[in-house]
Amino acid sequence: DAKTTQPPSMDCAEGRAANLPCNHSTISGNEYVYWYRQIHSQGPQYIIHGLKNNETNEMASLIITEDRKSSTLILPHATLRDTAVYYCIVRGNTDKLIFGTGTRLQVFP
Amino acid sequence: SAVISQKPSRDICQRGTSLTIQCQVDSQVTMMFWYRQQPGQSLTLIATANQGSEATYESGFVIDKFPISRPNLTFSTLTVSNMSPEDSSIYLCSVGDRGTTEAFFGQGTRLTVV
Repeated sequence: DAKTTQPPSMDCAEGRAANLPCNHSTISGNEYVYWYRQIHSQGPQYIIHGLKNNETNEMASLIITEDRKSSTLILPHATLRDTAVYYCIVRGNTDKLIFGTGTRLQVFP
Repeated sequence: SAVISQKPSRDICQRGTSLTIQCQVDSQVTMMFWYRQQPGQSLTLIATANQGSEATYESGFVIDKFPISRPNLTFSTLTVSNMSPEDSSIYLCSVGDRGTTEAFFGQGTRLTVV
């Protein structure tokens, strides 16, 4: 499974969009990009995933570059409850999720 | 979505003893995984629990230390054997179906070894 690189931490004002970047330059053609988050003391929660097209659901949007070497998770209107560690994961045929260090997002009032 | 129940939710154990953690899912799933999360760290995959056969361990983890059982498609156990303080972590169960979109996680077992 390809590795990912994320900034260790980010801040975002409540109500603003949070844009979390992820680099996955070694991704291969059949690997998906997944995003999970972990709120303190809870198990990780699935957010969204994609292969090559941009995706949107009720939680977030996922923008994947055309060369698939990077992606951005967008939380359109961040709230205090979005404060968490966000993990970008490249998932292949093994179905395993290999977690990197993630980005600690702090949403402030 | 799958509902996962992990037991115990937390425990404090003496060094040298063993603890068995249970993971129960409310529906049949093909894939079950066990993770460890050390204090302040990310999740590390320990092994894939295979139904009816031996678990598949990741590099750095061995069966003697972390024996795993998976007798059916809804249940698995992870044992942390001969514990030391370095085993103090949160242990999480994750489930999913092969080729499907998302994996679900239990709330974890917080283990403290004294």
